[in-house]
Amino acid sequence: EAQVTQNPRYLITVTGKKLTVTCSQNMNHEYMSWYRQDPGLGLRQIYYSMNVEVTDKGDVPEGYKVSRKEKRNFPLILESPSPNQTSLYFCASSTRTGQETQYFGPGTRLLVL
Amino acid sequence: AQTVTQSQPEMSVQEAETVTLSCTYDTSESDYYLFWYKQPPSRQMILVIRQEAYKQQNATENRFSVNFQKAAKSFSLKISDSQLGDAAMYFCAYFSQGAQKLVFGQGTRLTINP
Repeated sequence: EAQVTQNPRYLITVTGKKLTVTCSQNMNHEYMSWYRQDPGLGLRQIYYSMNVEVTDKGDVPEGYKVSRKEKRNFPLILESPSPNQTSLYFCASSTRTGQETQYFGPGTRLLVL
Repeated sequence: AQTVTQSQPEMSVQEAETVTLSCTYDTSESDYYLFWYKQPPSRQMILVIRQEAYKQQNATENRFSVNFQKAAKSFSLKISDSQLGDAAMYFCAYFSQGAQKLVFGQGTRLTINP
């Protein structure tokens, strides 16, 4: 089944404890992206990747890192999480560029205490 | 910078009736793409419809259609014969070719009354 998977789905952590949210797609998509969703703000792009080893900042990259060493994986890294990073996170992928339909993962709900 | 505005935080409609969700956007680009995504209570983001700006014909997917007015920078979603399963948050989104990013509106929560 074609899909985007994220792990973990739910995470409670404490300020400053490094964490990684994994994202993997099995559709051979070139474009991948991370978004965060906050009430009243819709979804905002954190980082995106056009292909392996090619990443760029979105609208809200502060406090986040990404890497794209393999085509299928695009992990989101929070080196030192803070409470303002409490949010619902989505990974998405599309065929070649973001202009194509983006397929979203199920979301990761993160709470930073 | 591109912005997307959904002026209706909440809408409700009777089952089997028609409802229109509004969306406006601001851009100086001529080539771009517009989307409507649905987010049911499961939180999964599901594509409803996609429109290419260079196409004048309005996109249609079964009971869902759009009214794309490029000059007015308006992209409304019409849902015909509303069903209980249509209840969800609906997001309008703009894809910037230049910035390679998807910009979302704030969302409209749609309630279907039986």
